[in-house]
Amino acid sequence: QQQVKQSPQSLIVQKGGISIINCAYENTAFDYFPWYQQFPGKGPALLIAIRPDVSEKKEGRFTISFNKSAKQFSLHIMDSQPGDSATYFCAATSGGYQKVTFGTGTKLQVIP
Amino acid sequence: DTAVSQTPKYLVTQMGNDKSIKCEQNLGHDTMYWYKQDSKKFLKIMFSYNNKELIINETVPNRFSPKSPDKAHLNLHINSLELGDSAVYFCASSPYVDTGELFFGEGSRLTVL
Repeated sequence: QQQVKQSPQSLIVQKGGISIINCAYENTAFDYFPWYQQFPGKGPALLIAIRPDVSEKKEGRFTISFNKSAKQFSLHIMDSQPGDSATYFCAATSGGYQKVTFGTGTKLQVIP
Repeated sequence: DTAVSQTPKYLVTQMGNDKSIKCEQNLGHDTMYWYKQDSKKFLKIMFSYNNKELIINETVPNRFSPKSPDKAHLNLHINSLELGDSAVYFCASSPYVDTGELFFGEGSRLTVL
């Protein structure tokens, strides 16, 4: 049973544009929402994360927006660059021992 | 220094064979994991160990057996390999009990012919 739904499956953005990836969850026990970035041939790497007590978190060009009542969160990449081309995973976790549930991934391509 | 290292990076083998993947982390983390990434890039947790103790076992066939000799190592042994086992297997570690902050290795691509 998929607990974190992610869209779109793929995304093409022009250099300098804004990339937006959306996720929705069902389990209200989730209390930590990380985003991971994966380049081909590499393992996923933590990009940015948020807890449900804040509605937005920004780190450089990357921003997470969080809507607790709608059980949705999204990643915005401002001024997208070709180097941002990767697969992005949203995730959610709850409780101890970090059972992280991943979304299905979004393949982002930033074209010059 | 590689934080989470897996060996081998690639395995190609025949159905029915047995194979092992080794993982080591030098981050001092207490918790380690095995994740499976299928051809559609979906990441699914298989096992989690906390300080050598099995914490999570996500309905994985008995053919998969993890072993943690110490908290810095988590190995995965797979018996009687099947075609459907072909995937990329990722080892990961984590420093905290209550966050989803995972540090992944580079993966081991298993191809079963």
